[in-house]
Amino acid sequence: GESVGLHLPTLSVQEGDNSIINCAYSNSASDYFIWYKQESGKGPQFIIDIRSNMDKRQGQRVTVLLNKTVKHLSLQIAATQPGDSAVYFCAHHPPVYTDKLIFGTGTRLQVFP
Amino acid sequence: DVKVTQSSRYLVKRTGEKVFLECVQDMDHENMFWYRQDPGLGLRLIYFSYDVKMKEKGDIPEGYSVSREKKERFSLILESASTNQTSMYLCASSPYTGDEQFFGPGTRLTVL
Repeated sequence: GESVGLHLPTLSVQEGDNSIINCAYSNSASDYFIWYKQESGKGPQFIIDIRSNMDKRQGQRVTVLLNKTVKHLSLQIAATQPGDSAVYFCAHHPPVYTDKLIFGTGTRLQVFP
Repeated sequence: DVKVTQSSRYLVKRTGEKVFLECVQDMDHENMFWYRQDPGLGLRLIYFSYDVKMKEKGDIPEGYSVSREKKERFSLILESASTNQTSMYLCASSPYTGDEQFFGPGTRLTVL
């Protein structure tokens, strides 16, 4: 079945360090991937996306890397700030179910001063 | 900015009550979704709609129904609330299939 897994449920980093959040997916035909950030008491917010014809995409302080060979997705946050503390979800659109997003269970990022 | 609003942030209901959760989006999006979010289980799709009066079952539709009479509004209905429906409910919308989804702030429902 479809699944999107996360390697670590909680990630703790020092303020100013870089953070890397990982995600594995099982459907090799998946063609669109999204990272969401969810702060406490709020709904998920879009951070960055990437399509399967790309290996890397950069935003403001964030980079998403896609390795289709091993079906792995990562989110890199540069110079992590206290405001980055949240739960991060990866999600993907399997091509068969184009209306649906399949979500991972989330990784909690904790930033310490 | 896209805005998705949900009628209540917190709701407490009793077992057996009929519960309505309302969601409104202001960007003329075609698709709307209802999820529930539980610790350790992530987001699970209950129902979605890709057009007015159209609905499709998601992964966990049992015990729920939906209504979409207008494009901007998507309602989730718990016909007879049960304690195992205590959860965070999230509504989302997207302009087209395969696009990112924009989420509302969520409704935390407690069924006693």
